[in-house]
Amino acid sequence: KAGVTQTPRYLIKTRGQQVTLSCSPISGHRSVSWYQQTPGQGLQFLFEYFSETQRNKGNFPGRFSGRQFSNSRSEMNVSTLELGDSALYLCASSQGGGTRRSEQFFGPGTRLTVL
Amino acid sequence: AQTVTQSQPEMSVQEAETVTLSCTYDTSENNYYLFWYKQPPSRQMILVIRQEAYKQQNATENRFSVNFQKAAKSFSLKISDSQLGDTAMYFCAFGGSGGSNYKLTFGKGTLLTVNP
Repeated sequence: KAGVTQTPRYLIKTRGQQVTLSCSPISGHRSVSWYQQTPGQGLQFLFEYFSETQRNKGNFPGRFSGRQFSNSRSEMNVSTLELGDSALYLCASSQGGGTRRSEQFFGPGTRLTVL
Repeated sequence: AQTVTQSQPEMSVQEAETVTLSCTYDTSENNYYLFWYKQPPSRQMILVIRQEAYKQQNATENRFSVNFQKAAKSFSLKISDSQLGDTAMYFCAFGGSGGSNYKLTFGKGTLLTVNP
């Protein structure tokens, strides 16, 4: 089975722009979670989607949004980029459903640099 | 809200020796899951081991084992016979019960270096 894929792998944007990141989960997985990883704050949970619905949400401003499509692929969008949004954005997929299926498989991440 | 603390920012160990990474957490939940993830340099994060809180028996996966102390809210990772490929950042993570299990709370990580 192919693993979790994220595109693009690297991205450079300027302040004020918006950006869309994409994540394709492992085939058959219905849950997709997004995390932001920075040297200062570490790994922080953004949100999780299951069957096209946002099921869990972290403490990030409304500039951060996401969605999930019927094929379980997910996108996250960051509007009005700030310098502090520079980070590695990780996507993780899981089978979803009961907690016994909750092991999350991570993608390689998208490295976003905001200038 | 849950918190996860890893008190050792960096550790080093000689190849073939044993090392223990510490993790403590705080939660008011009774049913939850704990995880150790490994993130090698410039590589993807992978799950090393997981522990269900309702299980008293400590989880083991080959050279990796945990010491889970529920009352003390402690969850340490022991790596036996350390190998050069074990060099990585190790993250301890907490997952709640039910749907919130997919919302992982991570510690800041421990950078482990295995020396030849």
